[in-house]
Amino acid sequence: AQKVTQAQTEISVVEKEDVTLDCVYETRDTTYYLFWYKQPPSGELVFLIRRNSFDEQNEISGRYSWNFQKSTSSFNFTITASQVVDSAVYFCALGTYKYIFGTGTRLKVLA
Amino acid sequence: DTAVSQTPKYLVTQMGNDKSIKCEQNLGHDTMYWYKQDSKKFLKIMFSYNNKELIINETVPNRFSPKSPDKAHLNLHINSLELGDSAVYFCASSQDPLNGQPQHFGDGTRLSIL
Repeated sequence: AQKVTQAQTEISVVEKEDVTLDCVYETRDTTYYLFWYKQPPSGELVFLIRRNSFDEQNEISGRYSWNFQKSTSSFNFTITASQVVDSAVYFCALGTYKYIFGTGTRLKVLA
Repeated sequence: DTAVSQTPKYLVTQMGNDKSIKCEQNLGHDTMYWYKQDSKKFLKIMFSYNNKELIINETVPNRFSPKSPDKAHLNLHINSLELGDSAVYFCASSQDPLNGQPQHFGDGTRLSIL
C-alpha cells in the first residue's frame, strides 16, 4: 500500500527564519513520483515541484529547496528566509493517476 | 487565462437536493480528476477519467456520478445530498500522468449542506 506521512501538523516561525517541512512516503513501486503543493488561505492548490524516483538530485528554486533521499524514503521541503506570504498548508503527494496526499503541514510565518 | 475552471465556486443547498459542479480545462490534457477535501484538509481522490473513459472510481457512493462529455470537461453530479457531503471539491487535469506530469487543480467548489 502507498502512504504519505507529514508528521508536522502545524509549524510557526518568525519571518526570516528557515523552516523545513518533512515528508515520508511508503511505496513498493520502483518507479514513482513525488510532489509538493501549496494551499494558501485563498484555497487553491498550487503545484510547486515534482521529483521522480530515479532522480535524487536536490533542487533549489529561489528560497525553496527540496531534499529527496530514497534511503530514508523522505522528500523534505525547506523554505529559507521565510516570509509572511509563505503562510499556507503544504501538501506532499505520491502517485501518477491517483495521488496519495499527506495530511498537510500548516505553516504560519509571523511578522 | 484560467487553466482549470470550476463552477460554481460556492454551493449552498439543502439536504436531499441534487446538484452539479462543472469543470473545464483548456490545457489540452487527456486526464481529469475529482478530489474531495474534508474539513480537516484531507484530500482524497474520487474519480479519474482518461480521454472520457473512467479509470479510477474510489469507492465513492453511487449518489456521485461523474460525466465527461469530452476530454476538456468533467462534471460531477451529486444526488440526494447528505450533511457529510459538505466539503471542498477540486477538479484537476494532467497530461501523461504515467510519466509523472503534475496535476493542475481548479480553485475548488465549496459545498455546504444545510
